[in-house]
Formats: sequence, C-alpha cells, structure tokens
Amino acid sequence: EAGVAQSPRYKIIEKRQSVAFWCNPISGHATLYWYQQILGQGPKLLIQFQNNGVVDDSQLPKDRFSAERLKGVDSTLKIQPAKLEDSAVYLCASSLYEITNEKLFFGSGTQLSVL
Amino acid sequence: QQQVKQSPQSLIVQKGGIPIINCAYENTAFDYFPWYQQFPGKGPALLIAIRPDVSEKKEGRFTISFNKSAKQFSLHIMDSQPGDSATYFCAASKTGGYQKVTFGTGTKLQVIP
Repeated sequence: EAGVAQSPRYKIIEKRQSVAFWCNPISGHATLYWYQQILGQGPKLLIQFQNNGVVDDSQLPKDRFSAERLKGVDSTLKIQPAKLEDSAVYLCASSLYEITNEKLFFGSGTQLSVL
Repeated sequence: QQQVKQSPQSLIVQKGGIPIINCAYENTAFDYFPWYQQFPGKGPALLIAIRPDVSEKKEGRFTISFNKSAKQFSLHIMDSQPGDSATYFCAASKTGGYQKVTFGTGTKLQVIP
C-alpha cells in the first residue's frame, strides 16, 4: 500500500516570500490533515478536511495560510507571505474512517526554513 | 482543556531497560489515546493505542497503562533496544465526530547499547 506522499521534501525561502506544499493521501482515505511541527514540539493541527470540505481550521492563521483539497484527493497548503516563525516541518496525514479519528497515516513532511 | 501534557522531555536508558513515558490529559471527553513513534526525517507512525474501557494494553514489547480516574496514561517499552531510539508522542481524541487529535510535546528516547 502506498503511503502519504508529500513534496517538496525541503524548502528554503526568505521572509515575505510565498511557498506551497503538496500532499497526496492514501487512496480511499476520506480525511486529510495538515499539521505544523515546530522543532522540539508535538504536531499542531492546522486544518482538517473531510472529503472536499473543511471540518476544522480553527488554528490556521488565515491571514497568511490557505489550503484546499481538490476533488477530495490531493491537497495543497500555501503560506503567503511567510514569516520567520513559520519555520517548521509541515506534515500531511490521512485517515480512512469518516467519523472517527483512529489511525492517522503521516507523510514524511516538508521541512520549511524561512530566512 | 484540549491539552495533553507529556513527560519527560528526553530519556536515556541502557539496552534492556524499561523506559516509561507519561501523559496527562484534561478533557474527560477524550476516549482514544494513541502513541506515535517518530524517527528523524520521518512522519509519526502509530505504535499502539488504548481506549478507556481497559487499564492496560500490550503489543509486543510496548505496553500502555491507563488510569481513567487520574486522567493519566503511560507507555512502557520492555527490553528496550537501540532501534527503539526515536521521539514518542502521546495523543488524545474524542471519537464519533470531527474531533482533532491533540498531541503531547514528545519524548526523545535514546537507548544506549
């Protein structure tokens, strides 16, 4: 079974630039999550999709972050403009069940450095 | 009320030792408590999980102990091996709806040969 695919693997940008991350979840997984993991901390949920719709974006800094999930499959997360404090690993995860939050499958993440 | 507190932040044990990682939660509505293991450069992977209707769950060398009244749960790794060196995250969520998974801050475990 193919896992969650993310790209790029690494990204270095200067502050105020924009950046986009891509995620392809496991086939058939209805729920997709974007997490931000700052060095030394646990993953923090940014946004959760159920098929095409957003079910939780309460911790997404909407003035600079945006995300979409087209056709209920792939997703992109964008930051515009980036700040120094956005330096982190951005993890995409997916899960099979529609109602429960049981097993999450994570990608390897995109490591973002904002200089 | 959504916090999950995890300790210790780091842990070093000898091979064969039994590292113990502790977590505490506040929200009594949580009913699913997974542990994730993360190796450098990789995303977290589910290791073992427990629901509050049992006090202990074992899978291989990994055991979760759960104390519902204290709102605490812990991970024990029996006969630890150098390959267990990783960062471990506890988490909690409420099933039955679109509730997010809340992660602890992580414990970096190093098992010395």
